[in-house]
Amino acid sequence: EIVMTQSPATLSVSPGERATLSCRASQSVSSNLAWYQQKPGQAPRLLIYGASTRATGIPARFSGSGSGTEFTLTISSLQSEDFAVYYCQQYNNWPPLYTFGQGTKLEIK
Amino acid sequence: QVTLKESGPVLVKPTETLTLTCTVSGFSLSNARMGVSWIRQPPGKALEWLAHIFSNDEKSYSTSLKSRLTISKDTSKSQVVLTMTNMDPVDTATYYCARIPPTNNAFDIWGQGTMVTVSS
Repeated sequence: EIVMTQSPATLSVSPGERATLSCRASQSVSSNLAWYQQKPGQAPRLLIYGASTRATGIPARFSGSGSGTEFTLTISSLQSEDFAVYYCQQYNNWPPLYTFGQGTKLEIK
Repeated sequence: QVTLKESGPVLVKPTETLTLTCTVSGFSLSNARMGVSWIRQPPGKALEWLAHIFSNDEKSYSTSLKSRLTISKDTSKSQVVLTMTNMDPVDTATYYCARIPPTNNAFDIWGQGTMVTVSS
């Protein structure tokens, strides 16, 4: 079973600065990687799918990159509403299985 | 507008079976390659994928929980049902249903979630 490892567990960044979040897969997942944002008391929201494609309505300051086992979510200039927990998720073709990382909490510095 | 809404008991006792229903609107469960998953999140912890059902009725389960889970759908009612047997306090969590559209392998729309507590 593929294990997703996110780092760091907590990231402290000032508003206006860039944030870089990492996600590593225990084996190649090709580009079958998505990123989600979750705020307290809310369901997760899809940000990125296919490793680098922004979901509908997601601002351009969010970008995803990587393939195989190493992935990155970059937020180019942090806004106050971006402080949240971020999860990566992989999709395995067969058998169809989905795995989430343990999350990175992005907090205000 | 596409929506998903979870419903089910708030409290279950240890060893009981949990039955949760996800009612969808704005799309059909019979649409080609459409799918719905159940995902849970214990308080303060990470998301955990549980099960998925495709429009062709193919099903997939978490390896660690497979023996306890059953997912099914009733297309006419626009509902996806998850049953989990032998509930334990560690199963206390918010349970979400979420859609995977035909165009990608990501959960694009989520329900609001339903909190389930396991306690005697």
